[in-house]
Amino acid sequence: DAKTTQPPSMDCAEGRAANLPCNHSTISGNEYVYWYRQIHSQGPQYIIHGLKNNETNEMASLIITEDRKSSTLILPHATLRDTAVYYCIVRLPTSGTYKYIFGTGTRLKVLA
Amino acid sequence: NAGVTQTPKFRVLKTGQSMTLLCAQDMNHEYMYWYRQDPGMGLRLIHYSVGEGTTAKGEVPDGYNVSRLKKQNFLLGLESAAPSQTSVYFCASNPRDRLEETQYFGPGTRLLVL
Repeated sequence: DAKTTQPPSMDCAEGRAANLPCNHSTISGNEYVYWYRQIHSQGPQYIIHGLKNNETNEMASLIITEDRKSSTLILPHATLRDTAVYYCIVRLPTSGTYKYIFGTGTRLKVLA
Repeated sequence: NAGVTQTPKFRVLKTGQSMTLLCAQDMNHEYMYWYRQDPGMGLRLIHYSVGEGTTAKGEVPDGYNVSRLKKQNFLLGLESAAPSQTSVYFCASNPRDRLEETQYFGPGTRLLVL
């Protein structure tokens, strides 16, 4: 099963882009990369996901390397409300269904 | 549309007591999940269900039981609570088992076992 590795913490100045890296070197061809975040012990919130191509939505952009062994979540203009723990997840198929394995994530602190 | 709700929000138990955590969703989702989160750790999957009447074990199922008698409800039971089960419990659901579907999470239940 593919696992992910993320730095435990990062700081980012308010208004600047926050770039959160994730390594998933054992990812298989049919596994997607998902990003969630958790703000102050609330339930995790979906941000974005992708398979091969770069993706963008109203919250963030996801850049996946060509070999798919790593990805980067980009928050283009970080605000104080973006302070949270960010989880990079590779979706694992098991017994005909899918489950999420959450690692320890990256604690992002946006500084005023 | 309330999404995913959890009951109770907070509970204190003594060792050996039993309790049931209730998760309800009004989105007609097929799949439901129970996670626990301990300080400084990510979420760990306890049990999950792919439909009414079905359940399956996740990463850390020991000490917990679940039931999915109705499609909208997923119950997590602790038969004999232990201090090691002190945690925050999150329920989640998603509409069907396709790669592009995301999970929707409830607000969590904080459980303290003394």
